[in-house]
Amino acid sequence: DVKVTQSSRYLVKRTGEKVFLECVQDMDHENMFWYRQDPGLGLRLIYFSYDVKMKEKGDIPEGYSVSREKKERFSLILESASTNQTSMYLCASLLRGAEAFFGQGTRLTVV
Amino acid sequence: AQTVTQSQPEMSVQEAETVTLSCTYDTSESDYYLFWYKQPPSRQMILVIRQEAYKQQNATENRFSVNFQKAAKSFSLKISDSQLGDAAMYFCAYSRIQGAQKLVFGQGTRLTINP
Repeated sequence: DVKVTQSSRYLVKRTGEKVFLECVQDMDHENMFWYRQDPGLGLRLIYFSYDVKMKEKGDIPEGYSVSREKKERFSLILESASTNQTSMYLCASLLRGAEAFFGQGTRLTVV
Repeated sequence: AQTVTQSQPEMSVQEAETVTLSCTYDTSESDYYLFWYKQPPSRQMILVIRQEAYKQQNATENRFSVNFQKAAKSFSLKISDSQLGDAAMYFCAYSRIQGAQKLVFGQGTRLTINP
């Protein structure tokens, strides 16, 4: 079974902190994604990566950055956390044209 | 930019009846993939059905089928013989084929099944 694992299920951080969300997949997928999910807004794409060290901005990249130093790992970084970044964060990976596999999600609360 | 729109925030259906969820998308590309994903209360995303734009035949998976209208950029999901286990959030998604494979989702439709 493909596994996509996110480092934390729940996270509470203070405003202004630098936050790292980690995602690891074990199926050698080339594409990896970070989304945030908010009620009524669906899944909004923050960043995605199509190869090691290759990344593209999604629809809402402001306040976020990403890192992909190894194929299996894709990190989302909140440079200075703010309360409006309180959300559910989902990581996904996929092979071209195939089914996307998702992590279990990280519920981030910024206080 | 590619966008996906689901105009029905909530839908409900009686058990054993049929329901159709709507999805429209916008793209300038001629070939792409379309998906429907289901997210039950467990939050785990599950692929329901997948359609390749170059295939004219509508995809079907057991009780789930799609009505793919390429010219209208419409991709609706029909669930026949609805079951209590079908209750979930349903997301329509688009992915391009050429270049970096950006996967974009709609806002979601919450489906309730009434016993």
